[in-house]
Amino acid sequence: QQPVQSPQAVILREGEDAVINCSSSKALYSVHWYRQKHGEAPVFLMILLKGGEQKGHEKISASFNEKKQQSSLYLTASQLSYSGTYFCGTVDRDDKIIFGKGTRLHILP
Amino acid sequence: DAGVIQSPRHEVTEMGQEVTLRCKPISGHNSLFWYRQTMMRGLELLIYFNNNVPIDDSGMPEDRFSAKMPNASFSTLKIQPSEPRDSAVYFCASSQGTGVLAESTDTQYFGPGTRLTVL
Repeated sequence: QQPVQSPQAVILREGEDAVINCSSSKALYSVHWYRQKHGEAPVFLMILLKGGEQKGHEKISASFNEKKQQSSLYLTASQLSYSGTYFCGTVDRDDKIIFGKGTRLHILP
Repeated sequence: DAGVIQSPRHEVTEMGQEVTLRCKPISGHNSLFWYRQTMMRGLELLIYFNNNVPIDDSGMPEDRFSAKMPNASFSTLKIQPSEPRDSAVYFCASSQGTGVLAESTDTQYFGPGTRLTVL
């Protein structure tokens, strides 16, 4: 089952914060986050393993709540370069990675 | 490092023809992944290899698709015969580790992709 991402799209002004959610109906072992700009390949952001850890670098961080089978990506003080489509990929006990449909983020100056 | 290299970058072919996509992973990486991306289905994992051995090919849509990794520096994805519904962007990615996906924290580095159009 494909994880559900929300919101589907969001428009922000530079400097505002955003949260992108990813939820699954299956028990998860890890969650991957990628960003993809139009016409380009996905770029890795981070991977979270089950254990409820929070990871991040600079102004992008993420959390993983394995009990709720949810992960959230936090974008703080967004920059123009953050624009793109964000995908979560969930890995379950079958060791398969399944990606959500993506969240389109557009940052206005 | 040149990153993951894919060829061709664009391929236009007619239904029924054989298509071969090529990938050169980053040197020293031990895992290689083939993905397909379409508007309708999004990003899908087709198959992945650890140390040149196919680990999971359950994402391969049907027998028309086959993938090989004869050595650590080269992989191919072949579609024979091709159909219009195979039109998509095909990405190859590589990572350093060889552990199971569920326990891996290894970054996957994506190639630029091959845009395939089957007429």
